[in-house]
Amino acid sequence: LAKTTQPISMDSYEGQEVNITCSHNNIATNDYITWYQQFPSQGPRFIIQGYKTKVTNEVASLFIPADRKSSTLSLPRVSLSDTAVYYCLVGEGPGGSYIPTFGRGTSLIVHP
Amino acid sequence: NAGVTQTPKFQVLKTGQSMTLQCAQDMNHEYMSWYRQDPGMGLRLIHYSVGAGITDQGEVPNGYNVSRSTTEDFPLRLLSAAPSQTSVYFCASSHRVHYEQYFGPGTRLTVT
Repeated sequence: LAKTTQPISMDSYEGQEVNITCSHNNIATNDYITWYQQFPSQGPRFIIQGYKTKVTNEVASLFIPADRKSSTLSLPRVSLSDTAVYYCLVGEGPGGSYIPTFGRGTSLIVHP
Repeated sequence: NAGVTQTPKFQVLKTGQSMTLQCAQDMNHEYMSWYRQDPGMGLRLIHYSVGAGITDQGEVPNGYNVSRSTTEDFPLRLLSAAPSQTSVYFCASSHRVHYEQYFGPGTRLTVT
């Protein structure tokens, strides 16, 4: 199974840009890289997904280098409400099946 | 749309008891899955389904059974509950395997 590695925790301040990097050395050719956000006592919520290069939506950007062995989630100008756990997700399985593997996540704390 | 619904929200079982966790979605999604989340940990995939009548094992399937008789419903059965199954269980669905997953609110299960 594909394994991801993320920093356990990060601290930031309101208005700053936050970059969270995820390592996924064993990513398969067909795998997408997906990031989720989770607040306490809630299910994860989709943030962004990409395959290569750069993807941007209204809340975040995702940077993926050519070798795809890592990815960086960029949150511009964070606010207190961005305090949450962020998960990097890739998926692979035997015979091409898809078994999404969540890492342990990065706990982001945004300070006033 | 109600999205993904899960029942019950909370459940306490004694060791050896059986029960079914219900999951339903009204978005006509093909892909559905069950995860468990232990304290301070990421989500681990238990079972998944790529369509009605098709199920497969995830990362931690032992002790759990699933079936998918309709597109909308994907129940998770615990045959003989054990304390190690104390966890929060999330159901998720998406249009296709790699697409954005929508998560339910979770079921908090305690086995004594």
